[in-house]
Amino acid sequence: RKEVEQDPGPFNVPEGATVAFNCTYSNSASQSFFWYRQDCRKEPKLLMSVYSSGNEDGRFTAQLNRASQYISLLIRDSKLSDSATYLCVVNKGSNDMRFGAGTRLTVKP
Amino acid sequence: NAGVTQTPKFRILKIGQSMTLQCTQDMNHNYMYWYRQDPGMGLKLIYYSVGAGITDKGEVPNGYNVSRSTTEDFPLRLELAAPSQTSVYFCASSYPGFDQPQHFGDGTRLSIL
Repeated sequence: RKEVEQDPGPFNVPEGATVAFNCTYSNSASQSFFWYRQDCRKEPKLLMSVYSSGNEDGRFTAQLNRASQYISLLIRDSKLSDSATYLCVVNKGSNDMRFGAGTRLTVKP
Repeated sequence: NAGVTQTPKFRILKIGQSMTLQCTQDMNHNYMYWYRQDPGMGLKLIYYSVGAGITDKGEVPNGYNVSRSTTEDFPLRLELAAPSQTSVYFCASSYPGFDQPQHFGDGTRLSIL
């Protein structure tokens, strides 16, 4: 089993749609969680950290379920500029990060 | 406002050649990392460092070496390049703390032929 698993997609959605991505992780002792976005042939950039209480940043909402070892990202009112690959990242401890392979999103007009 | 700077951006090597990928950061981050990303895959940690003089192996360290003589610089060395090392290499840095996000350079695309 991979340490961090994501649905690879691609997700093709129209502008304005709501889309959700899921991620599962295998190490129950993992300490922190993040969503990064990566544009084609570019470096990953932090989208948001994920907290146990859930957190929201504008159109983006992240949730963490430690009992199920599951992380989610919800994007509301999708924009063309949201088209990217979304990486689920889990910190096992001592800044030893494990990256999922990413979920690709394409938002179409 | 440089952040994390990687050089070179592109390189083609022949099998058996060696090279050093340079990484420098100006954010005074203690922690630095090297990752590789193969097509369609997630990033895999090669080596990381929690401060000058301290380095540790990550998930895929074989075929690579690192050093950390200053806080700012964290070079990655390939001694005997192999085709399996064709990849995109990303350097990153962060503050200490498990809740600290990493900041990435824009990558080095390396092809070994």
